[in-house]
Amino acid sequence: EDKVVQSPLSLVVHEGDTVTLNCSYEVTNFRSLLWYKQEKKAPTFLFMLTSSGIEKKSGRLSSILDKKELSSILNITATQTGDSAIYLCAAVPYGGSQGNLIFGKGTKLSVKP
Amino acid sequence: DAGITQSPRHKVTETGTPVTLRCHQTENHRYMYWYRQDPGHGLRLIHYSYGVKDTDKGEVSDGYSVSRSKTEDFLLTLESATSSQTSVYFCAISEGSYGYTFGSGTRLTVV
Repeated sequence: EDKVVQSPLSLVVHEGDTVTLNCSYEVTNFRSLLWYKQEKKAPTFLFMLTSSGIEKKSGRLSSILDKKELSSILNITATQTGDSAIYLCAAVPYGGSQGNLIFGKGTKLSVKP
Repeated sequence: DAGITQSPRHKVTETGTPVTLRCHQTENHRYMYWYRQDPGHGLRLIHYSYGVKDTDKGEVSDGYSVSRSKTEDFLLTLESATSSQTSVYFCAISEGSYGYTFGSGTRLTVV
């Protein structure tokens, strides 16, 4: 059965800290991996990763995919209270239906002032 | 999010009553999805649509039905609501690539 596992499930840090969130996957015919940030409402798209070893970067956030290790990490440097959210990763397999996003349960990040 | 709206935003209903949630998009995207989100389970796919009148089941489809008579609207119906269907429901759209856009969610409470 396809699955995506995120760790840790929750994390509390102080402003200015650097955090690393983990996502591992076991997905048949893996195609790509997505990262989302969810605050109080809808998840918002952060990154799509398809190629191994190529870092995607947006401001203080960066992410990389390791297809050999079947995993991805999301790094946030110099954290701010506004980074407090649930971070979701989702795997996209080739083929099958377009409804096949497989989500992890998320990592809840709390950034204290 | 711009381009996708869900209604209602909140609803409280009694066990055994039918409930319909609506998702409306203005992006003309082909694919539409209904997810539920519960603590400890993350996002789980209920049903999805790949075109007008073309729908299929997701991971947790029991007790739910959907309809899509127009490109822009995707309805989720709970035929007879149960307390286990208390959840936050998200609609999402995509154009076949990976850029899912989520609606703001509907918080449903079944009492």
